[in-house]
Amino acid sequence: GEDVEQSLFLSVREGDSSVINCTYTDSSSTYLYWYKQEPGAGLQLLTYIFSNMDMKQDQRLTVLLNKKDKHLSLRIADTQTGDSAIYFCAESLPSSNTGKLIFGQGTTLQVKP
Amino acid sequence: NAGVTQTPKFRVLKTGQSMTLLCAQDMNHEYMYWYRQDPGMGLRLIHYSVGEGTTAKGEVPDGYNVSRLKKQNFLLGLESAAPSQTSVYFCASSYTSSSSYNEQFFGPGTRLTVL
Repeated sequence: GEDVEQSLFLSVREGDSSVINCTYTDSSSTYLYWYKQEPGAGLQLLTYIFSNMDMKQDQRLTVLLNKKDKHLSLRIADTQTGDSAIYFCAESLPSSNTGKLIFGQGTTLQVKP
Repeated sequence: NAGVTQTPKFRVLKTGQSMTLLCAQDMNHEYMYWYRQDPGMGLRLIHYSVGEGTTAKGEVPDGYNVSRLKKQNFLLGLESAAPSQTSVYFCASSYTSSSSYNEQFFGPGTRLTVL
């Protein structure tokens, strides 16, 4: 079945790089997403990657996709206190034809000054 | 544009009471979703709708009902609330259900406590 797994917690110091990892099970996923949830708010799309890409860079964010191992990672360079949030990875399932996304449990990123 | 809005923002219910959560979107999206978020469990899909007048069950539909009478609104009902339904509820909407890119836009959430 479909499943997305993430570690629950990551703590880094301000200025360091953060790497959040995610594994997924459905090899037919076309797009994989990273959402950010700030305290008391809803989720907002942070970035995404199409399944035929290995890497995508967007300013301080780098997304790496290893399709063979079904592994997705999000690297945040020069992490700031404002990056403290919960980060969710999600996969879309084209076979479902419903637009559904499967979300991981979320990784809480704590940035210490 | 307001995007996706949810009412109410907070609610406390007693076991057995009923309530309706309202989700509204002004982006003309076809697809709408209701999720619940519980610590360590991520987001779980309750019900979803692929268009006006249609609804379907998600991963955890028991104890909830939904209606999509208008394209812009998606209502989530709890007929007889239970403490296990204490959670944060999120509504989301998206443009399309195709296999192409499908960004979901989320509301700010409703925090529900059932005593």
